[in-house]
Amino acid sequence: AQSVTQLGSHVSVSEGALVLLRCNYSSSVPPYLFWYVQYPNQGLQLLLKYTTGATLVKGINGFEAEFKKSETSFHLTKPSAHMSDAAEYFCAVSVANQAGTALIFGKGTTLSVSS
Amino acid sequence: KAGVTQTPRYLIKTRGQQVTLSCSPISGHRSVSWYQQTPGQGLQFLFEYFSETQRNKGNFPGRFSGRQFSNSRSEMNVSTLELGDSALYLCASSLQNPNTEAFFGQGTRLTVV
Repeated sequence: AQSVTQLGSHVSVSEGALVLLRCNYSSSVPPYLFWYVQYPNQGLQLLLKYTTGATLVKGINGFEAEFKKSETSFHLTKPSAHMSDAAEYFCAVSVANQAGTALIFGKGTTLSVSS
Repeated sequence: KAGVTQTPRYLIKTRGQQVTLSCSPISGHRSVSWYQQTPGQGLQFLFEYFSETQRNKGNFPGRFSGRQFSNSRSEMNVSTLELGDSALYLCASSLQNPNTEAFFGQGTRLTVV
């Protein structure tokens, strides 16, 4: 069965600092991996996804993530935090090539950005 | 291009009642998934529909049910509401399946009193 662990329920950074949100997954088959962001009282918005190919994935708003199979990790980074990045971030896994597959989400990490 | 629309946005129901939530997916999307989001359990998968057929189901009691219509619009129903059903219910639509890209609606906030 697939599962996702997000290390750290809360991360605080200063504006301009590096953002690093950690995600480890468990999957018996090659996974599809996703990062979503959720702002208060909103739905989820896709930041980026990894399916196959290049392991460094670039997303929207300057975020990127690297798929590391040996470490079963898919950490999200952004070189310089902005106040508007404050939100809750979810890592998710889905199994490749299987119709009807659900997204399995981590518990989420709340990112706070201070000025 | 219109996004995923969920109605209503907010609901207050009494324990024991039933409720129906609606989701209109993005035009052309045939897969609709439902998720329950609570502070304690996070985001949990309820079920997924494709072309009016339930393809996948999460680990929820039978009080939770859904359906999809020929125009891909979907409804979910919760019967005999319990206090623990209070949550944000999110709908997501995809072209074929959630492995591609799932677009989420803003959710319906259900409060059971």
